Amino acid sequence: DVKVTQSSRYLVKRTGEKVFLECVQDMDHENMFWYRQDPGLGLRLIYFSYDVKMKEKGDIPEGYSVSREKKERFSLILESASTNQTSMYLCASSLLGHPSSGANVLTFGAGSRLTVL
Amino acid sequence: GQNIDQPTEMTATEGAIVQINCTYQTSGFNGLFWYQQHAGEAPTFLSYNVLDGLEEKGRFSSFLSRSKGYSYLLLKELQMKDSASYLCAVNQGGKLIFGQGTELSVKP
Repeated sequence: DVKVTQSSRYLVKRTGEKVFLECVQDMDHENMFWYRQDPGLGLRLIYFSYDVKMKEKGDIPEGYSVSREKKERFSLILESASTNQTSMYLCASSLLGHPSSGANVLTFGAGSRLTVL
Repeated sequence: GQNIDQPTEMTATEGAIVQINCTYQTSGFNGLFWYQQHAGEAPTFLSYNVLDGLEEKGRFSSFLSRSKGYSYLLLKELQMKDSASYLCAVNQGGKLIFGQGTELSVKP
């Protein structure tokens, strides 16, 4: 069974702490994504990566950075956590295919619910 | 700019048919996805449309009109387990941009 695994299901951090959210996929997918999900706002794209050591900003990258040192692992980093980063964070992956290809189907992890106090 | 609109909430009766609409205005378009998300769970893939027309998959069908910037998801023979959020997402070259989701409640 193919999987996207997020290391922590629930985290509680304090304002100013550095936070690492880890995501690992076992499907040999080229593309990986980080979204946050908030009530009334839906899923918003933070960062994505099409290849190892490559990263692209999504729609809301401010306050976040990412790391992709290996194909299967994509980490989201909050350098200095703030209360407005309290959210559900979802990692996803997909195959690299033609832009109009159904291969772009995202497989999501179960999510990491982060609370910043 | 990017704009993807869906109704926030819908209610329907078990056994009935419900249509969830999605309109979009985006700078790029390579197809449209529908995902289902049960409370506390990850979104799961339902359907993908890249050409105009209707795609049918069991009880679920999805329709796309690119000229109108419009899609809908049709759920037939509703079951209680269909209570979930339904997410519309536009594919922009492999990057998916999501609407805010529609919370569907199925009542007995």
